Order: sequence, then C-alpha cells, then structure tokens
Amino acid sequence: QVHLVQSGAEVKKPGASVKVSCKASGYNFATYTMHWVRQAPGQSLEWVGWINSGDGNTQFLQKFQGRVTITRDTSASAAYMELSSLRSEDTAIYYCVRGSSTTMIAVPFDLWGQGTMVTVSS
Amino acid sequence: EIVLTQSPGTLSLSPGERATLSCRASQSIASYLAWFQQKPGQAPRLLIYDASKRATGIPARFSGSGSGTDFTLTISSLEPEDFAVYYCQQRSHWPPITFGQGTRLEIK
Repeated sequence: QVHLVQSGAEVKKPGASVKVSCKASGYNFATYTMHWVRQAPGQSLEWVGWINSGDGNTQFLQKFQGRVTITRDTSASAAYMELSSLRSEDTAIYYCVRGSSTTMIAVPFDLWGQGTMVTVSS
Repeated sequence: EIVLTQSPGTLSLSPGERATLSCRASQSIASYLAWFQQKPGQAPRLLIYDASKRATGIPARFSGSGSGTDFTLTISSLEPEDFAVYYCQQRSHWPPITFGQGTRLEIK
C-alpha cells in the first residue's frame, strides 16, 4: 500500500516558522518528485513548490521565494516543508503530493497526504 | 502564469442526471490538464489526467475531453457520492502549476 502520512496540526504566532513533514511508504521515494499544495479555508488549491527527491533540487511559487524551504531525507523516505515569517494569510491546510517519477512513466498528483492544518494566530 | 477559469461556479443537479463542468486556460496547455474531486474534510482525489485519461479506480461515468484552452469533465449519470467540489489543474507551463477556482456540484 502506498501512503503519504503528514505531521499533525500546528498553531503558530505571526512571525514564527512551521515545519511540516510527509513520510512516504510503499514506493521508491527517491525516484519521485514531491509537491506541496495548500488550501486556505473555503478557498481553492495553491501550489507552493516541489522537490526532486533524488537530487534535492527545488522550485517554488514566486510569492514564497525566501520564505519557504523544501527538503528531503531519502533514508527516512520523508519530505519537509518549512515556511517562515508566518502571517495570518498562511493559515491553510498544507498537502504533500507525489509528483512524477524520474525513472519511469507514472501519473503525477495521484497520491496525496492527509493534510496538515497550520493556523497562524496571535 | 496560466490562469484556469472554471464554470459554472455552482451546478445544481439531481442523481441520475448528466453533469458537464468546464475549464478554460488563459493560453494553450496542450493536453496537460487534470481534474480532481474534493469532498469536505478530505484531500483532493485525482480523477482525470492528460485531459482524458482516467486515473486508477475511477468509474467509467467520469470522462474528460478537450485540448488547447477548452476542457470538459463529464459525469454521465450522477451518483449520490459524486456531489463534491471539482478542480482543474494545469502542468503545461510550470512553474507554477495552477488550479482553477473550483465548481461546486450540489444536489438539486
């Protein structure tokens, strides 16, 4: 069974940082990319960025440049998204999503984590 | 950045009826379009990728069509579990990957 399991809900004050983890199981983690997508309450989906789990290369949505870091630990089959200088507008559910394979044809965005609610409030 | 515009915003139909949801891209995205279904409290679920290919386990009543800038998701005969929010997504010109604003399919 393939799964992505994320860390639990977080409550942070404005200006703080949050780090969300995403642990993969049931597939070869290092041969797939991983994306992060967020969803503010009652809103649509917003792509945050992605990482090549094999070589660690990353790209982000322009608006998050300088505030977001995406990393991975291949030995733990886990990816991490850290968002700093939090503001109230960052309150959202953050999802990790499996992307494409780097070694074979695969369907991207077919596997989603359960989501992590991040609340930013003073 | 490619903007995806979904219509209608809300669609009210009865079980057994046919649903047609639209997604228009601000520029050509070939066939790099996906459709997702999201129910309250759940993560989105991939239904259709590459405009017309059903994802694993998706019932045949879901079909996708289109290319270029205009795309359609059709549900041939609505089941009670199909009432949800549907999003389209493009991954043609990325980053960034972008999503539409969603269509809410509600029971009439």
